[in-house]
Amino acid sequence: GAGVSQSPSNKVTEKGKDVELRCDPISGHTALYWYRQSLGQGLEFLIYFQGNSAPDKSGLPSDRFSAERTGGSVSTLTIQRTQQEDSAVYLCASSQGASNTGELFFGEGSRLTVL
Amino acid sequence: GQNIDQPTEMTATEGAIVQINCTYQTSGFNGLFWYQQHAGEAPTFLSYNVLDGLEEKGRFSSFLSRSKGYSYLLLKELQMKDSASYLCAVLSGGSYIPTFGRGTSLIVHP
Repeated sequence: GAGVSQSPSNKVTEKGKDVELRCDPISGHTALYWYRQSLGQGLEFLIYFQGNSAPDKSGLPSDRFSAERTGGSVSTLTIQRTQQEDSAVYLCASSQGASNTGELFFGEGSRLTVL
Repeated sequence: GQNIDQPTEMTATEGAIVQINCTYQTSGFNGLFWYQQHAGEAPTFLSYNVLDGLEEKGRFSSFLSRSKGYSYLLLKELQMKDSASYLCAVLSGGSYIPTFGRGTSLIVHP
């Protein structure tokens, strides 16, 4: 597709279950970012990939959160043993290079609700 | 750390002009972005400023003063479709990761 694609668009899960969120960036974009957005809050940085490596994981809120990127393309964000405070919209963005050389293109997000 | 401040909410009338301010404190500076986000949709890029001054792009303009740690987004000839959240994001020195403010919700009324 032409834009950043995320799936699922909506996910409702029970507390304690694991979830996987997928991001398919724009073809050829080397940089990939995960952010999350809670109601009334700004975008909170989670993790940044350049190619397949993650030089900055500083935003991951706990060791229940992990992410990987394979083939320099698709990325998966995994949340283990979900908690209610994990409920948010998880946004993925990609850019041709690092963000200081150009804009970030965002997907529409995956809305996670933990009951 | 970084501190980015924007007003939470603003209202304006269709056809008018509105200025949305953003102040920031960072260790080093590598550029400032403005994004627009309609409810339930992805943020979309509006502007990127790295040098002082005004950048004009159609009805939207963005201004930066690095010495004051200040930017504004100016929207002219407001339309109802401009009702959205406007996000200010800053790149600190040496970072590739934009830090976002909480966003300003703009409501345009007839």
